[in-house]
Amino acid sequence: DIQMTQSPSTLSASVGDRVTITCRASQSISSWLAWYQQKPGKAPKLLIYKASSLESGVPSRFSGSGSGTEFTLTISSLQPDDFATYYCQQYNSYWWTFGQGTKVEIK
Amino acid sequence: QITLKESGPTLVKPTQTLTLTCTFSGFSLSTSGVGVGWIRQPPGKALEWLALIYWDDDKRYSPSLKSRLTITKDTSKNQVVLTMTNMDPVDTATYYCAHKGAGMEFFDYWGQGTLVTVSS
Repeated sequence: DIQMTQSPSTLSASVGDRVTITCRASQSISSWLAWYQQKPGKAPKLLIYKASSLESGVPSRFSGSGSGTEFTLTISSLQPDDFATYYCQQYNSYWWTFGQGTKVEIK
Repeated sequence: QITLKESGPTLVKPTQTLTLTCTFSGFSLSTSGVGVGWIRQPPGKALEWLALIYWDDDKRYSPSLKSRLTITKDTSKNQVVLTMTNMDPVDTATYYCAHKGAGMEFFDYWGQGTLVTVSS
């Protein structure tokens, strides 16, 4: 199995901060990585796909980078609507795996 | 507009079999490359991918749950059904179905989810 490890598990930040979340794969997944945002009681929302492609309608303050085994999600200037939990997800030609999530809290 | 909605029991007893239905609209599961997946989330915990069925009836299962899962589709009804046998309280979770586009190995549209509680 490919394991996905996100860090940190929890992040405390203020409005306007630059925030970076890391996701590491236990083996290379090329660029087959997506990022989702989830708010309490809601389904996840796709933000980034293929490591760095921004989903339509997602604000440009969100960006993704990386390939192989290390990936990052960056929020350039944190907004009140961005306080949520973020998950990475990989695909390895047979199955899909999610990371354990990173909760972005208000500092 | 793509929409998906999960339906099924909200409460099942331990050892019972869970059957969930995903009814969708706005796309066809006979279109090359398209798939519908199931993902679950125990209360307060992370997302866990369970299974996916492709347009051509190719099926993928989580290795850790493969022996308990079956995924099928009814293209004419725009439905995908997931069955999970031998339910246990640890299977208590919100179960989501989601759309996977052709050549896109991620889930771009999700249902609202349905909470299934396993308890005697």
